[in-house]
Amino acid sequence: GALVYQYPRRTICKSGTSMRMECQAVGFQATSVAWYRQSPQKTFELIALSTVNSAIKYEQNFTQEKFPISHPNLSFSSMTVLNAYLEDRGLYLCGATNANSDYTFGSGTRLLVI
Amino acid sequence: GQQVQQSPASLVLQEGENAELQCNFSTSLNSMQWFYQRPGGSLVSLFYNPSGTKHSGRLTSTTVIKERRSSLHISSSQTTDSGTYLCALDNTNTGKLTFGDGTVLTVKP
Repeated sequence: GALVYQYPRRTICKSGTSMRMECQAVGFQATSVAWYRQSPQKTFELIALSTVNSAIKYEQNFTQEKFPISHPNLSFSSMTVLNAYLEDRGLYLCGATNANSDYTFGSGTRLLVI
Repeated sequence: GQQVQQSPASLVLQEGENAELQCNFSTSLNSMQWFYQRPGGSLVSLFYNPSGTKHSGRLTSTTVIKERRSSLHISSSQTTDSGTYLCALDNTNTGKLTFGDGTVLTVKP
């Protein structure tokens, strides 16, 4: 079956520092990878959608300068939260699809900023 | 306005009761997916159901495009069904899923 491994599961970083999270797709080709953030209020925000061989599309309020994403092949993607501050805390989820819009999500990376 | 609206926001059941969760959307639909979010945060895909009815064990999903709604029915609920249920749709054929705010289900023993 299709699986997405996401790591780390939880991380704490000091305010102003950066942290990187990774996703590995197993059992299918991750043609597109979407990165979401679930805020403490539980709403899901799409950060960016990355499709192999296409430019990464960031949503309003999210920038490549703040959330650089790498999607080098059909099984791996990473995202870094640069210069993290309190408002960046939350659960970050990567979801991957092989282009039919049926998404498989990783277990999430919970970011705590202190 | 919000493109995806879920109802109810929360639901409390006694074990054995059935649950009906609704997802209404205000735009056209290319794909619809139902997820279960575990207390730890991970998302489990329950159904990919852009139209029609699908069954999986005690779960049934029905999407009626012309009525712009999708439902998730849980029969004979169990305490382990407790958690948050989310619907998400892609209305632009771009692969971008828009999530509803979820229904928090609590099943009491």
